[in-house]
Amino acid sequence: DQQVKQNSPSLSVQEGRISILNCDYTNSMFDYFLWYKKYPAEGPTFLISISSIKDKNEDGRFTVFLNKSAKHLSLHIVPSQPGDSAVYFCAASSSNAGGTSYGKLTFGQGTILTVHP
Amino acid sequence: EAGVAQSPRYKIIEKRQSVAFWCNPISGHATLYWYQQILGQGPKLLIQFQNNGVVDDSQLPKDRFSAERLKGVDSTLKIQPAKLEDSAVYLCASRRQGFQETQYFGPGTRLLVL
Repeated sequence: DQQVKQNSPSLSVQEGRISILNCDYTNSMFDYFLWYKKYPAEGPTFLISISSIKDKNEDGRFTVFLNKSAKHLSLHIVPSQPGDSAVYFCAASSSNAGGTSYGKLTFGQGTILTVHP
Repeated sequence: EAGVAQSPRYKIIEKRQSVAFWCNPISGHATLYWYQQILGQGPKLLIQFQNNGVVDDSQLPKDRFSAERLKGVDSTLKIQPAKLEDSAVYLCASRRQGFQETQYFGPGTRLLVL
């Protein structure tokens, strides 16, 4: 049961353009969402997060949008740079999951972003 | 501050052999996680520790996998005996107390079972 889905395995964009990465979830208990970036041979690094009480969170070139009714979130990178080329993972968590699952992250499959110079 | 440390970085073993991975979390982080990431998939939680107690091991294949967290700091994950399908990257992560605190990941151990 894939509770967090990233349906695009890869995305290719030109430097300077916008990159939009999408993520869908099915579990209505999820109320905190994160994006992680992963370079080869490294662990995932935290990028940006959003709580379900918001519909947008911005940090520099990165903006995450949350549409709770559609159970959909997206990450916008503007402008895209070649150094942004990496695998991007969407992750979700629930504050009401109970003690044993507190803070537990459920990850999507990842989207490989390639930014061409 | 120093990040999450893991060793070894790479390991190649034959099926039915045993293997162990080590993780040293960020100082002061009470919660420690072990994830398994199979190629082409996202990380999947295997076990979660709060200090030195297990709070979630529902997805840990307990017939072959075991983990412990010594004195609430370092942790080891063991596989015995290994199967071909255990080939994956094993990621350790740690987090301070608090729900929305960020999980910080180590570089991972890449395991290949032949």
